[in-house]
Amino acid sequence: DGGITQSPKYLFRKEGQNVTLSCEQNLNHDAMYWYRQDPGQGLRLIYYSQIVNDFQKGDIAEGYSVSREKKESFPLTVTSAQKNPTAFYLCASSMRTGENGYTFGSGTRLTVV
Amino acid sequence: RKEVEQDPGPFNVPEGATVAFNCTYSNSASQSFFWYRQDCRKEPKLLMSVYSSGNEDGRFTAQLNRASQYISLLIRDSKLSDSATYLCVVNQLAPYKLSFGAGTTVTVRA
Repeated sequence: DGGITQSPKYLFRKEGQNVTLSCEQNLNHDAMYWYRQDPGQGLRLIYYSQIVNDFQKGDIAEGYSVSREKKESFPLTVTSAQKNPTAFYLCASSMRTGENGYTFGSGTRLTVV
Repeated sequence: RKEVEQDPGPFNVPEGATVAFNCTYSNSASQSFFWYRQDCRKEPKLLMSVYSSGNEDGRFTAQLNRASQYISLLIRDSKLSDSATYLCVVNQLAPYKLSFGAGTTVTVRA
């Protein structure tokens, strides 16, 4: 079955440490996205990519980095520069224009310890 | 002003009741519209797209009012399993942008 897979489901990070969240899709979607969701709040866009080897900053890109070397994969690195990284991170994919909506992964819950 | 605004609720309704809520959007260039459902600590899942003529999927009815720039969702004969947060999503083309509302929480009680 086609879908989008995020790993790990839960991740614990120590202060000052970089961590990378994985996102893989086999839906043949061109576009991929990373969102952050904090309790009681809506989704905020971190980065998005509409084509391989190209990506754009979203509304809250500071302290994060991404790469898009393959169509299927869009990993997100949460760097030590991100001051408040504890959140629920959601990866999504879509057709390039998003006009048919998004498919989301099951999310990664990141906690700083 | 936020690009997409929703009444956060919560809407607490008994089983079998009808519940309806709206979502307003600020960008008149918005092209397509969706309702997503998100259960606690889970990812959002597409509930239905919203078409200009309005559309129905079982107990769910979505409407779009372009003149007043809002979309609505109506749930008839509410079930306990309808308890969730409903996210309004608005897609703007050229330049492409997808905006999410913060969600409306619905709780159906027995």
